Amino acid sequence: QSVLTQPPSVSGAPGQRVTISCTGSSSNIGAGYDVHWYQLLPGTAPKLLIFGNSNRPSGVPDRFSGSKSGTSASLAITGLQAEDEADYYCQSNDSSLGGYVFGTGTKVTVL
Amino acid sequence: QVQLVQSGAEVKKPGALVKVSCKASGYTFTSYAIHWVRQAPGQGLEWMGWIDAGNGNTRYSENFQGRITITRDTSASTAYMELSSLISEDTAVYYCAREPIGGAGKYDYWGQGTLVTVSS
Repeated sequence: QSVLTQPPSVSGAPGQRVTISCTGSSSNIGAGYDVHWYQLLPGTAPKLLIFGNSNRPSGVPDRFSGSKSGTSASLAITGLQAEDEADYYCQSNDSSLGGYVFGTGTKVTVL
Repeated sequence: QVQLVQSGAEVKKPGALVKVSCKASGYTFTSYAIHWVRQAPGQGLEWMGWIDAGNGNTRYSENFQGRITITRDTSASTAYMELSSLISEDTAVYYCAREPIGGAGKYDYWGQGTLVTVSS
C-alpha cells in the first residue's frame, strides 16, 4: 500500500488539459522532500518527466508541468496528445519509512 | 551516451535466489547511486533499495529487509541486486536506475528491465 495516493485514471480529449494529483503526508511531501514524476509507456522503462517538483529534463515538452503545495503535488498535461497515453507515477522520499516511495499510479487515456 | 544494461530474464523456483546485474557506461560510475525498482504484473512501481556506487553504502526498503542485497563492482561499473527466498509474488520486472548522489531520488536513466518469473 503506497503512502502517495494518485487517482487511478484520468482522461481527456486531444488538446485538452488534464491534471494528476499526488497526495502524501507530513512524512513525505509535507516534510519538504522533492517530488518527481515518471511516465511509463507499455513495454518500456520509466522515463523521468518532472524532477524537483517542477523542473523538466531536456527533451521533455513544455506541455508537462509540475507543482507542489503542502502535502500534495500535481502533474499537468496541456494540449493532450495521443502519445501521452501512458501510466504516470509520482515519487518522493519518506522519513517514516526511511526510503523512497512511488505513488499508486495514474493511467491517462486520450479519448 | 549514458546506458544501463541489465542481465537477461530469469525463471526461478520458489525459495531460490536471483541475482540481477546492471552494467553502467557513459559516465563516472562512482559519482552516482544505483537504485532498484520493481513492477509486478498489473501493479505499480515499488522502490527496493539503493547503493552509493562511490562508497558502497546501501539502504533497503523495509519491505525487503533480510532478503535483499545490493552490491557493486567498481572495476566493472556494475551493480547487482540479489533477492533471496523467492515467492510467486516476486514475479516482476526489475529495473535499475541512476541517481545523482544527493539527487533526492531523481532517476535520470533507467535500465531496460529484467523479468524475473518465480514458478514451481
